[in-house]
Amino acid sequence: KQEVTQIPAALSVPEGENLVLNCSFTDSAIYNLQWFRQDPGKGLTSLLLIQSSQREQTSGRLNASLDKSSGRSTLYIAASQPGDSATYLCAVRQWGMDSSYKLIFGSGTRLLVRP
Amino acid sequence: NAGVTQTPKFRVLKTGQSMTLLCAQDMNHEYMYWYRQDPGMGLRLIHYSVGEGTTAKGEVPDGYNVSRLKKQNFLLGLESAAPSQTSVYFCASSRGPGETQYFGPGTRLLVL
Repeated sequence: KQEVTQIPAALSVPEGENLVLNCSFTDSAIYNLQWFRQDPGKGLTSLLLIQSSQREQTSGRLNASLDKSSGRSTLYIAASQPGDSATYLCAVRQWGMDSSYKLIFGSGTRLLVRP
Repeated sequence: NAGVTQTPKFRVLKTGQSMTLLCAQDMNHEYMYWYRQDPGMGLRLIHYSVGEGTTAKGEVPDGYNVSRLKKQNFLLGLESAAPSQTSVYFCASSRGPGETQYFGPGTRLLVL
């Protein structure tokens, strides 16, 4: 059974710092991996989606990498800003006809960027 | 273009009551999903639909039923609410099975 783990559960950094959020998964047979942002009391916003054949994706100050063989993904945030404060969730999409429609979520990393 | 909307935003139920949560999307997506989010457990898939008139069970389907009578709407029903169903419920939709899912703002449900 696929398990997705995000460490740390919470992170507090000063503004301007570069930071890395970690995501690990136990079953490397994934279709793709997605990073989401969730603001308090709100829904999820997709940040980056990495296909299983890709190594990384970039969007602005965000860079996500994927190492399928080791079951790891990282989300790199450059020059963090207070507006980046949110919970970041990673989710893997499981391969296969029976489970290809499922996103398996980690429990998230709650990020606070201090001014 | 509203994306994915959910009604209601918040609801309090007594144990044993029933209710229906409505999800609507205006992106002409084939796939729709219902998740629940509990503290410390991430999101878990309840039911999903791969097209109008179809539904399928997800990871935690017990105690819930769904219907997809129209392509743009996906309804989640609780026939007899239990305190264990206190949660935040999110609806999502996607164009295809491997594509980005777009989420609604959520429905916070409290069962007393």
